[in-house]
Amino acid sequence: EVHLLESGGGLVQPGESLRVSCVASGFTFRLCAMSWVRQAPGKGLEWVSGISVDGDVEYYADSVKGRVTISRDNSKNTLYLQLNSLRVEDTAIYYCAKVDGELLGDGLDYWGHGTLVTVSS
Amino acid sequence: SYELTQPPSVSVSPGQTATITCSGDALPKKYAYWYQQKSGQAPVQVIYQDTKRPTGIPERFSGSSSGTVATLTISGAQVDDEADYYCSSTDSSGKFVVFGGRTKLTVL
Repeated sequence: EVHLLESGGGLVQPGESLRVSCVASGFTFRLCAMSWVRQAPGKGLEWVSGISVDGDVEYYADSVKGRVTISRDNSKNTLYLQLNSLRVEDTAIYYCAKVDGELLGDGLDYWGHGTLVTVSS
Repeated sequence: SYELTQPPSVSVSPGQTATITCSGDALPKKYAYWYQQKSGQAPVQVIYQDTKRPTGIPERFSGSSSGTVATLTISGAQVDDEADYYCSSTDSSGKFVVFGGRTKLTVL
């Protein structure tokens, strides 16, 4: 059974940094692209970032490009999202999602339960 | 930036057919995916590659796509189907994933 477990969320002040993680199990992690999707309170889903199977290609939404870095450690079945220069509008639940294949556009077939990042002074 | 457009709300009575549309210029060349999100829960994929249903998703959920419009149909909607529904796809380059604005389905 596929499991995605996010961690690392919390309360931070504007301008600070945070790294969220996602530990995957139940599938061959190194064969699947991965994505992060966020959801601000009361709002819709927003794709944040994606990464290729080997970690050599990264994709970012315009809203976070330059402030966010996605990475993965296939030896640890773990996906990461480094969030820098955080803004109040980055407050959201951050979901880790498994891509159903190698390509970013292959759809997100499994999702974690999310980790809440709150940016507030 | 690329956008997918969904109606903000759809309302049906139990047993009726609910139809949610999603329009986007790249849909003739890119697959549409549909996700269901119930209150306080993580999203769940209900349709992939325009028309396919993941294991465990009831047969009353179906998808179609024609031109620039993808459609999610729930035949014989049940109260348990009340949720927010999102379509998703990529832009023409395949480098950006996009979600439509949510459609709140009410079944009562």
